[in-house]
Amino acid sequence: DVVLTQTPSILSATIGQSVSISCRSSQSLLDSDGNTYLYWFLQRPGQSPQRLIYLVSNLGSGVPNRFSGSGSGTDFTLKISGVEAEDLGVYYCMQATHAPPTFGGGTKLELK
Amino acid sequence: QVTLKESGPGMLQPSKTLSLTCSFSGFSLSTSGMVVSWIRQPSGKSLEWLAAIDWDGDKYYNPSLKSRLTVSKDTSNTQVFLKITSVDIADTATYYCARSGNWELGDYFDYWGQGVMVTVSS
Repeated sequence: DVVLTQTPSILSATIGQSVSISCRSSQSLLDSDGNTYLYWFLQRPGQSPQRLIYLVSNLGSGVPNRFSGSGSGTDFTLKISGVEAEDLGVYYCMQATHAPPTFGGGTKLELK
Repeated sequence: QVTLKESGPGMLQPSKTLSLTCSFSGFSLSTSGMVVSWIRQPSGKSLEWLAAIDWDGDKYYNPSLKSRLTVSKDTSNTQVFLKITSVDIADTATYYCARSGNWELGDYFDYWGQGVMVTVSS
């Protein structure tokens, strides 16, 4: 299975600060169809995961544009431009290029 | 409005079979491209994709658990089921079902249920 390694595991931020989370894959996530099936999810405390980003850089429905995704091949980044209180929780990257879909270990975003 | 809701036994004994139901509304699993997956999460840990069934009745399983999993859907295409045989303590987790609009277009896991907690204990 593809292993996704997220760094850091814990991220402390102040409101308004911009932060980035890294997701590195053990294999290239570029599919033969030209797509890169890399996703980002946020799981707020006590809630289900919510999709933020699909196909590396596409914003999910209703997701604020302070979230952005980038990357290619094996290295990907989620950036939050100006953290808000509602952004606190655990962020997961996920790949679906190689079966089975796999998730990263998570990055917990907390208030400094 | 798309909603999904999982239901299950809450607690069961080791070696038993776990049966879970995902009831959903706001979409039909008979719509071309639609997929419903099962994903689980042990407390404090990451997520693990288990299985999926698509609009055409094709089934997909995580190879690491395939021998113990069976996914199915009802004829009205409003419920999806998951059975896990021979459960043990390691199967203790919150189980989620999640919709994907179209895997081929990269539309994975856009809606999730609230999850159902399952504890395996003697």
